[in-house]
Amino acid sequence: GAGVSQTPSNKVTEKGKYVELRCDPISGHTALYWYRQSLGQGPEFLIYFQGTGAADDSGLPNDRFFAVRPEGSVSTLKIQRTERGDSAVYLCASSLGTSGGETQYFGPGTRLLVL
Amino acid sequence: SQQGEEDPQALSIQEGENATMNCSYKTSINNLQWYRQNSGRGLVHLILIRSNEREKHSGRLRVTLDTSKKSSSLLITASRAADTASYFCATAPADYTDKLIFGTGTRLQVFP
Repeated sequence: GAGVSQTPSNKVTEKGKYVELRCDPISGHTALYWYRQSLGQGPEFLIYFQGTGAADDSGLPNDRFFAVRPEGSVSTLKIQRTERGDSAVYLCASSLGTSGGETQYFGPGTRLLVL
Repeated sequence: SQQGEEDPQALSIQEGENATMNCSYKTSINNLQWYRQNSGRGLVHLILIRSNEREKHSGRLRVTLDTSKKSSSLLITASRAADTASYFCATAPADYTDKLIFGTGTRLQVFP
């Protein structure tokens, strides 16, 4: 596709369960980012990949959160033992990755609700 | 954590009027970007202004940047009902990390 895609669009889970959120970046983009947006707030950075490696994971809130990008394209954000406070929209973005400070293109997001 | 704040938090205007939104930030930046968000979902990139630029135009959009005051403004001229959305500024820190740090957003409502 032409843009960043994310699946699922919506995810409802119960407290304590494990969830996986998927991001498919724009073809050819080597940089991939995950952000989290709570209601009424701006997005907050979670983690940034350059190729297969996590270049900056300083935004991950705790060790329940983990992300991978094994082949340098699709990425999966994994959340273990979900808590109600994890409820938010999880946004993925990608950029060319050839230089710093490039435009980031965002996907539609996954709305996670933890009951 | 958020980089800074946007002002106003909410703005309501009539079609045809101009809308001005302000953004303040805290640390040195590489560039500043403005995004639009409809219905709390995906963000659409509007414009990027680099730290050595002072003003940039794109269609009905005009962005200014004052690095000495650590502030930026977004002006939308001749607004339309379709401009109704939330607008966010995002800064790329000057320490060469590639993450964006977003402001708190301005909710713009344009009445026909």
